[in-house]
Amino acid sequence: EAQVTQNPRYLITVTGKKLTVTCSQNMNHEYMSWYRQDPGLGLRQIYYSMNVEVTDKGDVPEGYKVSRKEKRNFPLILESPSPNQTSLYFCASSSRGTGREAFFGQGTRLTVV
Amino acid sequence: AQSVAQPEDQVNVAEGNPLTVKCTYSVSGNPYLFWYVQYPNRGLQFLLKYITGDNLVKGSYGFEAEFNKSQTSFHLKKPSALVSDSALYFCAVSPRMDSSYKLIFGSGTRLLVRP
Repeated sequence: EAQVTQNPRYLITVTGKKLTVTCSQNMNHEYMSWYRQDPGLGLRQIYYSMNVEVTDKGDVPEGYKVSRKEKRNFPLILESPSPNQTSLYFCASSSRGTGREAFFGQGTRLTVV
Repeated sequence: AQSVAQPEDQVNVAEGNPLTVKCTYSVSGNPYLFWYVQYPNRGLQFLLKYITGDNLVKGSYGFEAEFNKSQTSFHLKKPSALVSDSALYFCAVSPRMDSSYKLIFGSGTRLLVRP
């Protein structure tokens, strides 16, 4: 089954404790992206990757890092989480070419206390 | 600045009645237009998209959307709503000239279909 898998689904952590949210897709997609979803704001792009070793900032990259060492994986790293990063996070992937629909993971609900 | 507006936080409709969820956008050029649906505790699922051609686009689960270039709108419609259509709906645009394949999302509209 074609899918984007995120882990963990739920995470509660403390301010300053580094964490990683994993994302993996099995569709051989070139393009992957991370979004955060906040009430009333919709989804906003954090980082994206056009292919292996190619990443770039989205609209709200502050406080986040990413890496793309393999085509299928695109982890999101919070080096020093803060309460304002409490949010619902989604990983998405799509194939090469504009106008392609994105496939989304089931989301990771992160709470930073 | 590029933006997508969904003017209604919530739309209420009775089962069997037609529904419309509104979306307007402010993006330069001729962007690609999408609708996604989010059910509770699930990720976003693709419903339909407009690339080019016929202004009326048909998608999954009986949904359709009408593209209006002069009004820069892409409203989601369904002739007869089902209780199971209750969910959060997002309109999104992707600028054609943007090689990042970024999706710009609206704030979402919660659809509530009452029996």
